[in-house]
Amino acid sequence: SQTIHQWPATLVQPVGSPLSLECTVEGTSNPNLYWYRQAAGRGLQLLFYSVGIGQISSEVPQNLSASRPQDRQFILSSKKLLLSDSGFYLCAWERLGEDYGYTFGSGTRLTVV
Amino acid sequence: GNSVTQMEGPVTLSEEAFLTINCTYTATGYPSLFWYVQYPGEGLQLLLKATKADDKGSNKGFEATYRKETTSFHLEKGSVQVSDSAVYFCALSDLGGGSQGNLIFGKGTKLSVKP
Repeated sequence: SQTIHQWPATLVQPVGSPLSLECTVEGTSNPNLYWYRQAAGRGLQLLFYSVGIGQISSEVPQNLSASRPQDRQFILSSKKLLLSDSGFYLCAWERLGEDYGYTFGSGTRLTVV
Repeated sequence: GNSVTQMEGPVTLSEEAFLTINCTYTATGYPSLFWYVQYPGEGLQLLLKATKADDKGSNKGFEATYRKETTSFHLEKGSVQVSDSAVYFCALSDLGGGSQGNLIFGKGTKLSVKP
């Protein structure tokens, strides 16, 4: 079956610390993968998307980076977190073909203190 | 550029009331349209979708019709339940527009249904 996993579910990190959020997809190959952020009081914002290994496109300049080291793995990182990085982060997988749509991970609630 | 504008919340209704959450979009080409729902403490779930003009998406008693002439995709339900309390997001995907099908979301509408 096709599934998407995202972890951790919650994270509290101090300002200036590094960040690594991981997303993996099972049951499909060469997926299009996305990282979104939902900041408090705001809508969902696309951060990065990737159409293949090593291919990353950034939509918004920010304190974050993304990497795609394997076909079904997408990682969101930061070297030094800011308070403004707090939010709800969602990984998504774009399903192509007849069943076109997006499947989201369960999300990570990040609080930077 | 492409964008989605949806009715701002919060929306508070009594059980069995009629629900409408307005959503309009701006897009080049022929986007696919979605409604996603986020229940408290959970991630986003696809509620319904429509991929071409005049299509009606429906699920769990919710409906939305893709209206190209008014560029709208309003969400409706005839009789809401307390369990429908959640945040609802309207979204479009511009697949085929050269941007790899990026999903563009509205800001979300929080719905609270009181017993």
